[in-house]
Amino acid sequence: AQTVTQSQPEMSVQEAETVTLSCTYDTSESNYYLFWYKQPPSRQMILVIRQEAYKQQNATENRFSVNFQKAAKSFSLKISDSQLGDTAMYFCAFRFFGNEKLTFGTGTRLTIIP
Amino acid sequence: NAGVTQTPKFQVLKTGQSMTLQCAQDMNHEYMSWYRQDPGMGLRLIHYSVGAGITDQGEVPNGYNVSRSTTEDFPLRLLSAAPSQTSVYFCASSSPGTANYEQYFGPGTRLTVT
Repeated sequence: AQTVTQSQPEMSVQEAETVTLSCTYDTSESNYYLFWYKQPPSRQMILVIRQEAYKQQNATENRFSVNFQKAAKSFSLKISDSQLGDTAMYFCAFRFFGNEKLTFGTGTRLTIIP
Repeated sequence: NAGVTQTPKFQVLKTGQSMTLQCAQDMNHEYMSWYRQDPGMGLRLIHYSVGAGITDQGEVPNGYNVSRSTTEDFPLRLLSAAPSQTSVYFCASSSPGTANYEQYFGPGTRLTVT
């Protein structure tokens, strides 16, 4: 079974700085998707960014970008120009191609300091 | 378009009581699922359904029952609540085979079993 590991339970960074959240995963498959979800204090799960494993180009969504290293099975999230609204739990998630089941990491609690 | 709705938002049960957590979606999604979120453990899959009349177990199914009589609804039943079922429960839905890949989450139900 696949596993997803987030080794940073908590992080904090000053507003406007850049922060990188780490995620590693373990699978023997080659076709899969990776996701970063944000969970603010409201508890709502919000999709931040996704990456298809067959794409070599790293995904980018405005201030959010990923560093996808397929061989190393690493999928880190970089948040540039961090804002107070970025304060949240961030979950890395994995699913196989053709299968909707998501496997989540344990999360990183990110605090943006004014 | 309400997306994924869950009721109730909060619930307190006594050990041994039964209850049903409701989940509905108005996006005509074939796939629906239930996750539980516990501190330090991320989200774990309880049960899922790939269409009306079809359900299957996820990672942590014990103590829970599901059925899917319509495309829109996917209720989760706790047959005899236990303190170990104290958690936040999320329902999610998606449409497999689309280019979107996104799963849409409901707002969650916080359940406390005393």
